[in-house]
Amino acid sequence: GQQVMQIPQYQHVQEGEDFTTYCNSSTTLSNIQWYKQRPGGHPVFLIQLVKSGEVKKQKRLTFQFGEAKKNSSLHITATQTTDVGTYFCAGPRLGTYKYIFGTGTRLKVLA
Amino acid sequence: DTEVTQTPKHLVMGMTNKKSLKCEQHMGHRAMYWYKQKAKKPPELMFVYSYEKLSINESVPSRFSPECPNSSLLNLHLHALQPEDSALYLCASSQGDGGPSTDTQYFGPGTRLTVL
Repeated sequence: GQQVMQIPQYQHVQEGEDFTTYCNSSTTLSNIQWYKQRPGGHPVFLIQLVKSGEVKKQKRLTFQFGEAKKNSSLHITATQTTDVGTYFCAGPRLGTYKYIFGTGTRLKVLA
Repeated sequence: DTEVTQTPKHLVMGMTNKKSLKCEQHMGHRAMYWYKQKAKKPPELMFVYSYEKLSINESVPSRFSPECPNSSLLNLHLHALQPEDSALYLCASSQGDGGPSTDTQYFGPGTRLTVL
């Protein structure tokens, strides 16, 4: 079946360091969405990318969608302790509402 | 307003109990979803409703029974659950009328279910 893998699984960084998580799907996605889930919380929508090759920025966060619409990345510049949580990518299989979540990357930021 | 509400927040039930989880959204979204999330795992899709009709069932056991009484409400009826069904159950909704290519999901806070 369709799989969406994220690497790394875990990342510990010092506050102020940069962080990147990569998302790779075995099949083409209609779009890619990124979510942040704090410990004990629920997924909170961050951004959606629709076009192949698309790049979007949100303050310290930069998101990219691959040309083949099968991979994506999230880069955080100068991490802060408030960035702690698990970052998930997710996307609907092409032409469907069948959302598949990536395996997630758990970020810890050390002050 | 991008709020999806879920009740109850926490639920403890025995294996012989019958209970229901409720989800509500007032964003006019036409697609609604149930997900199951185990600790330290990603959400797993269970069901999708589109225009109040069940469109996707991800081979979920029949002890989970979804219901969409109207366009704003989504229920998940639980019966004869097993301890391994303990998890966070998340509801989500999306606009669902422009096609999946631009659809965005919004999640509720979830119901944390414990089956004894």
